[in-house]
Amino acid sequence: GAGVSQSPSNKVTEKGKDVELRCDPISGHTALYWYRQSLGQGLEFLIYFQGNSAPDKSGLPSDRFSAERTGGSVSTLTIQRTQQEDSAVYLCASSLIGAETQYFGPGTRLLVL
Amino acid sequence: AQSVTQLDSQVPVFEEAPVELRCNYSSSVSVYLFWYVQYPNQGLQLLLKYLSGSTLVESINGFEAEFNKSQTSFHLRKPSVHISDTAEYFCAVSRTGFQKLVFGTGTRLLVSP
Repeated sequence: GAGVSQSPSNKVTEKGKDVELRCDPISGHTALYWYRQSLGQGLEFLIYFQGNSAPDKSGLPSDRFSAERTGGSVSTLTIQRTQQEDSAVYLCASSLIGAETQYFGPGTRLLVL
Repeated sequence: AQSVTQLDSQVPVFEEAPVELRCNYSSSVSVYLFWYVQYPNQGLQLLLKYLSGSTLVESINGFEAEFNKSQTSFHLRKPSVHISDTAEYFCAVSRTGFQKLVFGTGTRLLVSP
């Protein structure tokens, strides 16, 4: 079946603007993760949704970052008042609950000017 | 907390030569270990994983990794590399029962003719 998809693939925005990044997990996968890949910080965990449980937000770098997951499927990562240091590739992954293997999407490359 | 160290940021090798990409981890609890590969302009793909049982795990394309608990290592090896193995390789760890991945900084494998 289809893999994890993310949109947009590239996003250029101006400092101070809000952006929304979308993730469509693999059908049937109830666990969803967001990671960030940047030159200075490598690959970092941001947030984890597991079924109907409260999300693990421990990796969100500031209160400008938030994420939601509607209907247990699609997820949106929102960055408010973007800063240049937010420039990175944002990766989404999904897995079956209790499964160790995460399947990654192609990422959204965000550039904040 | 867990951490992963990949000491080599870049490893250049000639085609058909053997290669070892090093990974050491730190954790006070039991962990699962993973190697992910990122080909140019593509997303992360799982290469192999150690969950339990045999400490030697293999991938379908000839890579293998050995979990060494006493040395807290999970080095990746291939006896003979191909040009197509050129990619960035990430070692990752998660606590058993918890699915947040902690990644190393990655090792870029450059295979030349």
